Amino acid sequence: QQPVQSPQAVILREGEDAVINCSSSKALYSVHWYRQKHGEAPVFLMILLKGGEQKGHEKISASFNEKKQQSSLYLTASQLSYSGTYFCGTPGVYGGSQGNLIFGKGTKLSVKP
Amino acid sequence: GAGVSQSPSNKVTEKGKDVELRCDPISGHTALYWYRQSLGQGLEFLIYFQGNSAPDKSGLPSDRFSAERTGGSVSTLTIQRTQQEDSAVYLCASSLGPNNEKLFFGSGTQLSVL
Repeated sequence: QQPVQSPQAVILREGEDAVINCSSSKALYSVHWYRQKHGEAPVFLMILLKGGEQKGHEKISASFNEKKQQSSLYLTASQLSYSGTYFCGTPGVYGGSQGNLIFGKGTKLSVKP
Repeated sequence: GAGVSQSPSNKVTEKGKDVELRCDPISGHTALYWYRQSLGQGLEFLIYFQGNSAPDKSGLPSDRFSAERTGGSVSTLTIQRTQQEDSAVYLCASSLGPNNEKLFFGSGTQLSVL
């Protein structure tokens, strides 16, 4: 049930772009994205619902393709503050919106000056 | 309160002892979640409450782990007969409801079992 994230880690220079992918083996109702900076609690970025809607947060956007059971997080013109571990989460209840949120193993993003 | 509050922030215990971890969610939030994060690892789901009931206990790693929530507010995670592999950060989160609401995480309890 755990979604699969790729890549596991990525290193960028400031200003570069990155894409983080999240896929699931089961039908999805929604995908949630969180960022955790070192030593801190995870912080909400965005939720994507069925419909392929693209959302944005600062220069971070995401898409959700429920047919492919995939979501992608796009970080454009990365800043030092984007460094951290990004987690995608999917509802544990099959296809449903209720219940626990199961997270992937995370993608560690490091942005260098 | 203003945010999710967890206590203690750090707990050092000896192997075999019982520990209780507390979570005070944001006022009015009906859904509450416990996660475990081992060093450098992801967020492992433990248990989820909607109100006082826990419809999903599937993530509890063993029968040494239990959790309760009373009055639809404060929750306690209890680990009996702690083992060294229980050492981790235990994170609590709450959300307004169970349907695709964003989670607000507490700062966690760092548990070290010696």
